[in-house]
Amino acid sequence: GENVEQHPSTLSVQEGDSAVIKCTYSDSASNYFPWYKQELGKRPQLIIDIRSNVGEKKDQRIAVTLNKTAKHFSLHITETQPEDSAVYFCAAIFYNQGGKLIFGQGTELSVKP
Amino acid sequence: NAGVTQTPKFRVLKTGQSMTLLCAQDMNHEYMYWYRQDPGMGLRLIHYSVGEGTTAKGEVPDGYNVSRLKKQNFLLGLESAAPSQTSVYFCASSYERDYEQYFGPGTRLTVT
Repeated sequence: GENVEQHPSTLSVQEGDSAVIKCTYSDSASNYFPWYKQELGKRPQLIIDIRSNVGEKKDQRIAVTLNKTAKHFSLHITETQPEDSAVYFCAAIFYNQGGKLIFGQGTELSVKP
Repeated sequence: NAGVTQTPKFRVLKTGQSMTLLCAQDMNHEYMYWYRQDPGMGLRLIHYSVGEGTTAKGEVPDGYNVSRLKKQNFLLGLESAAPSQTSVYFCASSYERDYEQYFGPGTRLTVT
């Protein structure tokens, strides 16, 4: 069935290090992959997204890579800062189920100063 | 613009009681969604709407009903609340299904 697997569930890094979060999806027709950041007690907010016509997209310290053949995509955060601490969710759109956006289980990132 | 708003922010229900959560958006978006968020489970889609007067089931629709009588409003109803429905509920809206979803601030619901 429709599924997005996200790993790891928790990630702790030192300030200045890089962080990588990985997701896999099951629908080969998926072509839209957003990433959302949710700070404690706040609402999720989009930080970056990628469509299947590109393999990589960057926005300052964050980047997302997509491998459609392997059906996985990753979020890369470089030069992490304490304000990057949050829960990050990946998602994929499933056209075989009416175009629903299905989220991964989330990764709690902690950046230690 | 207020974006996406939700009422109420908090609610405590007893098992068997009913309630309605209201979501409103002022961005003229066609698509609206209701999610529930539980620890370790991510955001799970309950129901969604692709336009005024339309609704469709998401991943976890049982025990919930929805209505979209006006384009800007999306209502989520619990007819007979159960403790398993204790959760944080988020509403969201988007211009298209593969565009950014804008989330409301959430409603924390506890069913005792």
